[in-house]
Amino acid sequence: DGGITQSPKYLFRKEGQNVTLSCEQNLNHDAMYWYRQDPGQGLRLIYYSQIVNDFQKGDIAEGYSVSREKKESFPLTVTSAQKNPTAFYLCASSRIPGQGVTEAFFGQGTRLTVV
Amino acid sequence: AQSVTQLDSQVPVFEEAPVELRCNYSSSVSVYLFWYVQYPNQGLQLLLKYLSGSTLVESINGFEAEFNKSQTSFHLRKPSVHISDTAEYFCAALPQGGSEKLVFGKGTKLTVNP
Repeated sequence: DGGITQSPKYLFRKEGQNVTLSCEQNLNHDAMYWYRQDPGQGLRLIYYSQIVNDFQKGDIAEGYSVSREKKESFPLTVTSAQKNPTAFYLCASSRIPGQGVTEAFFGQGTRLTVV
Repeated sequence: AQSVTQLDSQVPVFEEAPVELRCNYSSSVSVYLFWYVQYPNQGLQLLLKYLSGSTLVESINGFEAEFNKSQTSFHLRKPSVHISDTAEYFCAALPQGGSEKLVFGKGTKLTVNP
């Protein structure tokens, strides 16, 4: 089945550590996104990518980094510079504009907790 | 810049009552519109979408939404809700054409009580 997979589902990080969240899709989508979700704040865009080896900052990119070495993969690293990383992280993918509109497909999320 | 406003952060209703979750958007260009549903500790699932054509769109589980261009709204309705409809609902807009990204509202938490 085609879909988008995030791992791990739960992640614990000590203060000062970097952690990497995995996101893989087999939908052949060019665009991939990372969102952060906090209670009452909806989804806030961290980074997005529309093509391999290229990505753009979203609204809250500080303290995060990404890479897009393969079309299928878009890992997110939460660095020690992110002062309040505890949140629910969602990865999504979609076609890019010009390829026909479809909805964004979401993974099941990773809940990151700083301990 | 475009934006999406969900006017109610929480909506409590009784089972079998009708419900309307409100969504308004602001954009300088035409948009595609979406409603997503999120159950606790899960990702978002598409509920329905408006791309073009009929302004009334329906989902398989009884929800419907109507695109109103003059009021820039895309409200979600269901005539009779079930306990299982308890979830958070997100409205989203995508500008037509260009390389703009999907913009979400802050979500509406629907709680259906027995």
